[in-house]
Amino acid sequence: SAVISQKPSRDICQRGTSLTIQCQVDSQVTMMFWYRQQPGQSLTLIATANQGSEATYESGFVIDKFPISRPNLTFSTLTVSNLSPEDSSIYLCSVEGTSGGREQYFGPGTRLTVT
Amino acid sequence: GNSVTQMEGPVTLSEEAFLTINCTYTATGYPSLFWYVQYPGEGLQLLLKATKADDKGSNKGFEATYRKETTSFHLEKGSVQVSDSAVYFCALYNNDMRFGAGTRLTVKP
Repeated sequence: SAVISQKPSRDICQRGTSLTIQCQVDSQVTMMFWYRQQPGQSLTLIATANQGSEATYESGFVIDKFPISRPNLTFSTLTVSNLSPEDSSIYLCSVEGTSGGREQYFGPGTRLTVT
Repeated sequence: GNSVTQMEGPVTLSEEAFLTINCTYTATGYPSLFWYVQYPGEGLQLLLKATKADDKGSNKGFEATYRKETTSFHLEKGSVQVSDSAVYFCALYNNDMRFGAGTRLTVKP
């Protein structure tokens, strides 16, 4: 299984500002995924990030609000822009395993609180 | 479309009790099925998986069997411990990954 780290682990931000979350994987992967987990809720996929191409966003998520970079096969960033209290969530990145079973492995998450 | 429905929580058990968390799914074809666990303040960890009908996934004393006929993947453990207290997510992959709502388990000593 892949080892995934995220920075920061948590942050408190003021509304109107932005936060960039970094995700680092210990091996090269084709696809990386970004999820949002609102308080007490399940996971919602924000976008899929492939290296060398634009990220693919799920319905309800737009690039202007959640720009994603994927500069190489081990790293990605998610920016949450123009923050509002509704953006307070845990943001998780994940990668697919290599066994062919389509399981995903997750980073520890970034807990964002917007005041 | 694809979806997962799991037992609502919270579930509170005494140590050494038997655990069942129900999970049913809707999908065309043959999805892969998973259970993930999220301990307080942490990300999701893959607990077990099954990729075809009648497969049994198992890990750390937890088991789940892929039942195509009932479209279910119920999580069981014979004797829970306090350290099993966490949120458990059932999930499926069928062109994309879908997660259930999560079930919070608290095990009391």
